[in-house]
Amino acid sequence: DTEVTQTPKHLVMGMTNKKSLKCEQHMGHRAMYWYKQKAKKPPELMFVYSYEKLSINESVPSRFSPECPNSSLLNLHLHALQPEDSALYLCASSQEWGLAGVQETQYFGPGTRLLVL
Amino acid sequence: GIQVEQSPPDLILQEGANSTLRCNFSDSVNNLQWFHQNPWGQLINLFYIPSGTKQNGRLSATTVATERYSLLYISSSQTTDSGVYFCAVELSAGTASKLTFGTGTRLQVTL
Repeated sequence: DTEVTQTPKHLVMGMTNKKSLKCEQHMGHRAMYWYKQKAKKPPELMFVYSYEKLSINESVPSRFSPECPNSSLLNLHLHALQPEDSALYLCASSQEWGLAGVQETQYFGPGTRLLVL
Repeated sequence: GIQVEQSPPDLILQEGANSTLRCNFSDSVNNLQWFHQNPWGQLINLFYIPSGTKQNGRLSATTVATERYSLLYISSSQTTDSGVYFCAVELSAGTASKLTFGTGTRLQVTL
């Protein structure tokens, strides 16, 4: 099973709201990722978690707060977003992260389409 | 950072036609993957191919790491092949390891 699930599929929120995106995988992967994808652009990495620890933060604004409560779950907490944060948010996982000689195929979830009004 | 350019940016094919998509990258890479993003946004792994050639049904891919490019071949295209094709590369393992996506090729297959 190579499935990564994400909820919700769609989310509309105001600039004063607080919401969370959820991602789950049951492949035993130890690395999980958040990407942001604007329309007609490639995905851009936001965060990398390895063994439940934050390994990479690509200078993401603090209104995005990631959390990895266990090895299967990854959350992205959203607060005081701006309209320009509207995008497709993709979660991915891989067996490992950052190990030389290890095949690190990333498997992606279906994404959450976020609209900030 | 590493530059990843894909060509062509847009491609329209009639069903049954063959095509070749190209990915050029500016530095040596540890990892290269090809993905298909369907019209609903789902990114689907096609190949993990940092070097060599692989085939999977109507699709095949070749990466020539020494010349810093990869090719994705689609044969006998079908309407379900429509979407955006991305290559993504990882510069190195370790603390700087991250996947950088190319600019994408948008494919439309018509009847």
